[in-house]
Amino acid sequence: AQKVTQAQTEISVVEKEDVTLDCVYETRDTTYYLFWYKQPPSGELVFLIRRNSFDEQNEISGRYSWNFQKSTSSFNFTITASQVVDSAVYFCALTPGGGTALIFGKGTTLSVSS
Amino acid sequence: EAEVAQSPRYKITEKSQAVAFWCDPISGHATLYWYRQILGQGPELLVQFQDESVVDDSQLPKDRFSAERLKGVDSTLKIQPAELGDSAMYLCAVKRGYNEQFFGPGTRLTVL
Repeated sequence: AQKVTQAQTEISVVEKEDVTLDCVYETRDTTYYLFWYKQPPSGELVFLIRRNSFDEQNEISGRYSWNFQKSTSSFNFTITASQVVDSAVYFCALTPGGGTALIFGKGTTLSVSS
Repeated sequence: EAEVAQSPRYKITEKSQAVAFWCDPISGHATLYWYRQILGQGPELLVQFQDESVVDDSQLPKDRFSAERLKGVDSTLKIQPAELGDSAMYLCAVKRGYNEQFFGPGTRLTVL
């Protein structure tokens, strides 16, 4: 069975704090893809990143960084120096690839106050 | 410009009425998905199309839901009759590149 767990339901931080969103996944596939999406209050899911199972390099994009560790089946997302505009629900997702549908976690609601 | 257009953005209907949602990818995408997102949950797949063919509708409640993609471009999702438990966000997505899925703005359905 495939599953994505986001144990943190809600996180509240003050602007400029760093915050890490956790994601743990389960799959028996040797090839799979992991994703992070952002869902602002408007409702649209915004693609942030894709990571392949055979590429464990961490990635940094501006204030965002991702830590992928196959040994612990985790794909964590860190926002450095958080801003109010980062307030949203963040989803981690998994797919074995080949166009198969995404399996989402339940999401983490991030609230950043000024 | 958004990758995927959806309409209507909001829909309020009464129980037992019929309702339809429309999805129009801006450019050609062979793979199209409909997801349902209940409040406080992650999206879950309802149906997946490859061109005009359904490749996965295992989670679609076929007694009341139907979906079609007649020309392999835009798609329609219908519910008849609507039930209170159908209140949710209905999201359309297309596949592009290495398994990335890009989502439309969604249709928020409220059943009274």
